[in-house]
Amino acid sequence: EPEVTQTPSHQVTQMGQEVILRCVPISNHLYFYWYRQILGQKVEFLVSFYNNEISEKSEIFDDQFSVERPDGSNFTLKIRSTKLEDSAMYFCASSAEGALGGYTFGSGTRLTVV
Amino acid sequence: AQTVTQSQPEMSVQEAETVTLSCTYDTSESNYYLFWYKQPPSRQMILVIRQEAYKQQNATENRFSVNFQKAAKSFSLKISDSQLGDTAMYFCAFMKHDSSASKIIFGSGTRLSIRP
Repeated sequence: EPEVTQTPSHQVTQMGQEVILRCVPISNHLYFYWYRQILGQKVEFLVSFYNNEISEKSEIFDDQFSVERPDGSNFTLKIRSTKLEDSAMYFCASSAEGALGGYTFGSGTRLTVV
Repeated sequence: AQTVTQSQPEMSVQEAETVTLSCTYDTSESNYYLFWYKQPPSRQMILVIRQEAYKQQNATENRFSVNFQKAAKSFSLKISDSQLGDTAMYFCAFMKHDSSASKIIFGSGTRLSIRP
C-alpha cells in the first residue's frame, strides 16, 4: 500500500536554529498538508498546499514557517528560527482528490527544540 | 467555526468486550465528513472509519461502526470484540466539504486501553 514518508523520524535542534522537515507524498496525490501535535494534545492543522501554492494556513503558521515542493516529489516544512514551543510531532499528509478521498498521513517527525 | 468535542479522556475495557467512544461536534455546515482516526503508540495517524454527512446509513468497517446522529451532532464509534491491538488514542475529526484542500479539525482524543 502506498505510503507517505517523513524524514527524519526524530530531530533535535537548538533554539534559534532552522529546521527542515521532509515529506514524500504518495506519487499521484496532488494535495498536501502539515499538521502538528504537541505532546499530549490534539492534532492541529498548519497548512494545506495545492498547485504549488498555499491553499489555507492556520494562525499557528506564522512567518517563521514556510512550505515548499522543491522538486515535484518532496514536500518540505521549514521552521526558520525554532522556539521551545515548536517541540511537537509534525505530520505530513497527502490526498488524491482533496479531502474527498481521505488523507494518508505519514508516520511523523518528532521535533525537539532544546 | 467548527469544533469537535470528545468528553472521555480515557477508557479501559476487557478484551473481547464492546466499547463506545463518544464525540459531538458543532457546525453550521450542511455538507461535511466525519472521521475516526486511531493513533497507536507508534504515533502514526490511521483512518479507522469515515462518514459522509449526507448519508443516513451508518458507516461500518469490520468490527468498527459508528452511530451518526446528524440532528444531535453526535458521532460515536463502537468497537466490537475489542482486541489488544485496539489500544490507542482515538481522535474524532470533522471536515467541511467546501474546497478540495479542506482541513481536518480534530477532537482532543480518547485514550483507549484494552486489558487482557
